[in-house]
Amino acid sequence: ETGVTQSPTHLIKTRGQQVTLRCSSQSGHNTVSWYQQALGQGPQFIFQYYREEENGRGNFPPRFSGLQFPNYSSELNVNALELDDSALYLCASSLPPGTTGEQYFGPGTRLTVT
Amino acid sequence: RKEVEQDPGPFNVPEGATVAFNCTYSNSASQSFFWYRQDCRKEPKLLMSVYSSGNEDGRFTAQLNRASQYISLLIRDSKLSDSATYLCVVEGGSYIPTFGRGTSLIVHP
Repeated sequence: ETGVTQSPTHLIKTRGQQVTLRCSSQSGHNTVSWYQQALGQGPQFIFQYYREEENGRGNFPPRFSGLQFPNYSSELNVNALELDDSALYLCASSLPPGTTGEQYFGPGTRLTVT
Repeated sequence: RKEVEQDPGPFNVPEGATVAFNCTYSNSASQSFFWYRQDCRKEPKLLMSVYSSGNEDGRFTAQLNRASQYISLLIRDSKLSDSATYLCVVEGGSYIPTFGRGTSLIVHP
């Protein structure tokens, strides 16, 4: 196991609601990246946090936001949920950007928006 | 053109076969390359990094061709347990990783 944990494992929300997903990184890792994976697709990069600051962002609207805490755990917040937000949300922890590039994923949160 | 492209497959092969996947990328400035494996409804797991000189890990061999902008994964002596989706990942100069959609491999008895 990677040591990366995510909560909750499953979540059902209604369109227009807001959701917060959580991730604890592997010991020794100070970088967390968030991904959205739709069925049959590869993970799509949402953003990355390094030392509590956003270090890069993919093509996602501002209603997707995040935080990283001093212990390197992280949150992904999604406002005004849409049906298309239904997906598996993965977080991955890693060493600082530019080192190995290897990422270790948590088991994911499966979000269903109805 | 997508940044990272993979043939989704599925590749359906018998046990013991050799199978190869390619992954093409569009950004010539890409610096780091990886293969991940993802089992059904599970998280991706790192299979191997891809080095310029190529690298091998048991039955798995990864190659990088910068001139033609693709990476490859070769699996020899396929096992039933190799059945999974194989994701290629390309990192650009900003260290932002881009995943392909994955190639599905099914190994049958």
